[in-house]
Amino acid sequence: KNEVEQSPQNLTAQEGEFITINCSYSVGISALHWLQQHPGGGIVSLFMLSSGKKKHGRLIATINIQEKHSSLHITASHPRDSAVYICAVPNYGGSQGNLIFGKGTKLSVKP
Amino acid sequence: KAGVTQTPRYLIKTRGQQVTLSCSPISGHRSVSWYQQTPGQGLQFLFEYFSETQRNKGNFPGRFSGRQFSNSRSEMNVSTLELGDSALYLCASSLGQHTGELFFGEGSRLTVL
Repeated sequence: KNEVEQSPQNLTAQEGEFITINCSYSVGISALHWLQQHPGGGIVSLFMLSSGKKKHGRLIATINIQEKHSSLHITASHPRDSAVYICAVPNYGGSQGNLIFGKGTKLSVKP
Repeated sequence: KAGVTQTPRYLIKTRGQQVTLSCSPISGHRSVSWYQQTPGQGLQFLFEYFSETQRNKGNFPGRFSGRQFSNSRSEMNVSTLELGDSALYLCASSLGQHTGELFFGEGSRLTVL
């Protein structure tokens, strides 16, 4: 059974700062998800990645399969980036299906 | 292209009642998964359906059940509601089983009194 650790739990940044959120897991996987949840509940999938690095606009996600670690970076942060960021991995390793989630990182970006 | 639609968005029930929640996936998506989110436990996986078959199940009691129809729409049912079942229930769809990005609905917020 996989275990997921996210850090930090809470993060406050000034607009324009570079943000890093970390996710570590214990059992080897084939893919990891990064999710964003705004107040009110709606969840948006930011990335699904299995190796290397992906970039969407100001968001960059990296994964190191050997180290069982992934990072989510936000460049030039903006108040609209304020949200909870959650990583998720398959609970029993391998492929998607039964996902287990990190506790989330609550990001607040001040203008 | 319409997103994932969950109904109802909000509902209030009393202990002992049952509830049925519905999820319509994005057109063409064949996999639907369900999640429970509470302040204490965070997000937890309930079950995953693909081609009308339950493919994975999380660690929830038998009071939680679901099904998927031939048009990929899915329902989940919770019987004999308990106070602790108060939560945001989210569903997500993806193209295939174990593949692809997840697309989430807005959720159904259940309050049990």
